[in-house]
Amino acid sequence: DAGVTQSPTHLIKTRGQQVTLRCSPKSGHDTVSWYQQALGQGPQFIFQYYEEEERQRGNFPDRFSGHQFPNYSSELNVNALLLGDSALYLCASSLAGMGLYNEQFFGPGTRLTVL
Amino acid sequence: AQSVAQPEDQVNVAEGNPLTVKCTYSVSGNPYLFWYVQYPNRGLQFLLKYITGDNLVKGSYGFEAEFNKSQTSFHLKKPSALVSDSALYFCAVRDGPTSGGGYNKLIFGAGTRLAVHP
Repeated sequence: DAGVTQSPTHLIKTRGQQVTLRCSPKSGHDTVSWYQQALGQGPQFIFQYYEEEERQRGNFPDRFSGHQFPNYSSELNVNALLLGDSALYLCASSLAGMGLYNEQFFGPGTRLTVL
Repeated sequence: AQSVAQPEDQVNVAEGNPLTVKCTYSVSGNPYLFWYVQYPNRGLQFLLKYITGDNLVKGSYGFEAEFNKSQTSFHLKKPSALVSDSALYFCAVRDGPTSGGGYNKLIFGAGTRLAVHP
């Protein structure tokens, strides 16, 4: 049973560029959440997707956008990269039908470095 | 607004000794609390959760957590620490509607680094 997978593992970009990160949820899961973990901090919620729609958004600017595909996989796009966007980006999946209190399963993350 | 606090940046313990990693919470309504562990260059792994019921919750790898409503705490514990338990531990609280459909996000603490020495 495959867990949550993310690609790429590492990414280096320069300021002003755009980046796309990808996530495949755990088998059977239908909800995908994205988190940003800056160095030395806890993960911060970016947004959550269910049924191909953004259901909730954290305190992140519109430069951060996402998409969920019919197979439940998801992309996170960040435009006009800033140095402060350097972080570990974590994808988490869960199953909506299991109730509102089920745990989320996390992928290994994508380490983004903005130079 | 929901929040959790982890008052210790680092906890040091000798192998074989009991360990405690502290977490306090602030929520409106019932708290739904989680503990996750993060090993170097890895994502977060779920350890345990408190939804309702017994105040002592048992989880993975021999960890347990004690929910204390009067002290608004949810401390992570293990009777006998292993060197392999050395990692970064995060307490989290669920934020979202309590019925029907809707989002289900986690709000994390800043993390506590656990160092278990041989």
